[in-house]
Amino acid sequence: EPEVTQTPSHQVTQMGQEVILRCVPISNHLYFYWYRQILGQKVEFLVSFYNNEISEKSEIFDDQFSVERPDGSNFTLKIRSTKLEDSAMYFCASSQLAGGGDTQYFGPGTRLTVL
Amino acid sequence: DAKTTQPTSMDCAEGRAANLPCNHSTISGNEYVYWYRQIHSQGPQYIIHGLKNNETNEMASLIITEDRKSSTLILPHATLRDTAVYYCIVRVGTSYDKVIFGPGTSLSVIP
Repeated sequence: EPEVTQTPSHQVTQMGQEVILRCVPISNHLYFYWYRQILGQKVEFLVSFYNNEISEKSEIFDDQFSVERPDGSNFTLKIRSTKLEDSAMYFCASSQLAGGGDTQYFGPGTRLTVL
Repeated sequence: DAKTTQPTSMDCAEGRAANLPCNHSTISGNEYVYWYRQIHSQGPQYIIHGLKNNETNEMASLIITEDRKSSTLILPHATLRDTAVYYCIVRVGTSYDKVIFGPGTSLSVIP
């Protein structure tokens, strides 16, 4: 069964460093998303992406964040200068259709630890 | 904010059916009921969704009341691996429609 994959599973970085989290969405999906979950809190939407453009972003997704589809298979989330509060699980998701009843499928996540 | 109300936690004996309720009294006519679960900080896993009719797949059944104001997710024979947080989510389900997670129901399957 097709699935969303993410790398790395765990990333440790120093405050102020740049990190890139990678995702490979399901192959025939056209819509891509990033969510995050701070330990003990709810899963929160960050950004949606379609046709090489951001469709929607949340308040969390400030200028320190960017997303890119560098090729036909990868979808990345970059955090330019990490802060302690960026420590969280980051989940990538993808979906196929634009119509109602569409389903987003989530990857296993990347645990980001900022020291 | 989430448009649904779920119990905070539930227990279920292993091998028995787990019935997880969800209230969504303000659901609109074009909104679907989706269920996801999250096992201990793993990625949310899609379970099932429906609009009006009851739905069944290999994982679960979804029973939606006729007035669509509430629904029940049924795991027919719960196993220890079904211990997770279950999220009931109401959304239109277009690809532009983000998934908004509430606190969900923490289901513990007990041996």
